[in-house]
Amino acid sequence: EAGVAQSPRYKIIEKRQSVAFWCNPISGHATLYWYQQILGQGPKLLIQFQNNGVVDDSQLPKDRFSAERLKGVDSTLKIQPAKLEDSAVYLCASSPRRRGNTEAFFGQGTRLTVV
Amino acid sequence: DAKTTQPPSMDCAEGRAANLPCNHSTISGNEYVYWYRQIHSQGPQYIIHGLKNNETNEMASLIITEDRKSSTLILPHATLRDTAVYYCIVRVDTNAGKSTFGDGTTLTVKP
Repeated sequence: EAGVAQSPRYKIIEKRQSVAFWCNPISGHATLYWYQQILGQGPKLLIQFQNNGVVDDSQLPKDRFSAERLKGVDSTLKIQPAKLEDSAVYLCASSPRRRGNTEAFFGQGTRLTVV
Repeated sequence: DAKTTQPPSMDCAEGRAANLPCNHSTISGNEYVYWYRQIHSQGPQYIIHGLKNNETNEMASLIITEDRKSSTLILPHATLRDTAVYYCIVRVDTNAGKSTFGDGTTLTVKP
């Protein structure tokens, strides 16, 4: 089974520029998550989708971050404009929608450096 | 989700058992204990989870105390490839990815 795919793997931009990250979850997984992981810290949930609807975006800085999951499959996360403190690894994860205990499967992440 | 406390770092000799502790004294009755690990430059990887019984799979064993206020992840024969950050997470089971990650324990396996 193919894993969660993310691109690009690395991105360097200047502050105030825009950037977008792409995620393709595991086939058939209804739930998709975006996490931000600052160096030395654990991942922090930014947004959760169930199919193409947002379930939780309480931690998403909506003044500059946006995310969408058109057609309930792929997802993009955008930052506009970027700040220095946005430098982090952005992780995408997906999980199946089924009863009982489930685990989340993570991609390798996109490392963003804002200079 | 209940808060967890883990030591920031631990060392283990290759081939020996690695025992990683986690305190979760405010755990609720419907919350499970999950363990993930994150190898350098990769995303977190699920290891094991449990409610109140001890659990074992091909990767590790999970020992949960009777009062459920703490748990220990055991890697029975640690290898160099087990060097990673290990996260203990407490949450209800119905939302797999909505996990609150702390800073975890950095396990270094030494030859």
